[in-house]
Amino acid sequence: QSVLTQPPSASGTPGQRVSISCSGGSSNIETNTVNWYQQFPGTAPKLLIYSNNQRPSGVPDRFSGSKSGTTASLAISGLQSEDEADYYCAAWDDSLNGWVFGGGTKLTVL
Amino acid sequence: QLQLQESGPGLVKPSETLSLTCTVSGGSISSSSYLWGWIRQPPGKGLEWIGSISYSGNTYYSPSLKSRVTISVDTSKNQFSLRLSSVTAADTAVYYCARAFDDTLTGFYVFDYWGQGSLVTVSS
Repeated sequence: QSVLTQPPSASGTPGQRVSISCSGGSSNIETNTVNWYQQFPGTAPKLLIYSNNQRPSGVPDRFSGSKSGTTASLAISGLQSEDEADYYCAAWDDSLNGWVFGGGTKLTVL
Repeated sequence: QLQLQESGPGLVKPSETLSLTCTVSGGSISSSSYLWGWIRQPPGKGLEWIGSISYSGNTYYSPSLKSRVTISVDTSKNQFSLRLSSVTAADTAVYYCARAFDDTLTGFYVFDYWGQGSLVTVSS
């Protein structure tokens, strides 16, 4: 059972906008920044969004992040087939004094 | 380009100690701007943070694993290591080493570079 809660799956058609939520609490998302990772099967996670809404160099601006209260969201606009992957949110938890991850969301491009 | 590479046995017997080393290349482990960490992922499941260490040896461990985990750093070899004692089948996972940079605007660390991962199976 993950500290951060994500929907297990999400889907969309090419060109659509898809949003993935990450729900936490006052000890993590509400007070600390949220990062998002993209993971393809058999590969290591890749940093997609950090500090709620910052994109590392090389990440397309189709990917965006936001946060409100105890919930963070990852949005993907102009969905492409190569976006089909697992997505994880992460944040520091003040109560646990460590990083916590969401359970992951499997995105399917129909 | 920074690279991290995990190494160690792929098979560990129950009750024994899992040991992995992460070798960092393309950059120095001796920087106060970074933390170095271990994250694991059981087959078909999500990510779990195990612990992190600074170049000076300050450690941070997951509360759920703290009693069994030791992370150490060897700056002369540009490596850091993980030891997990008394393993069971539940510790079977892909183990990743990763670097966390200090986002000075927020004061929080962010895992940015990851190794390719090392599958460790606990079985007799």
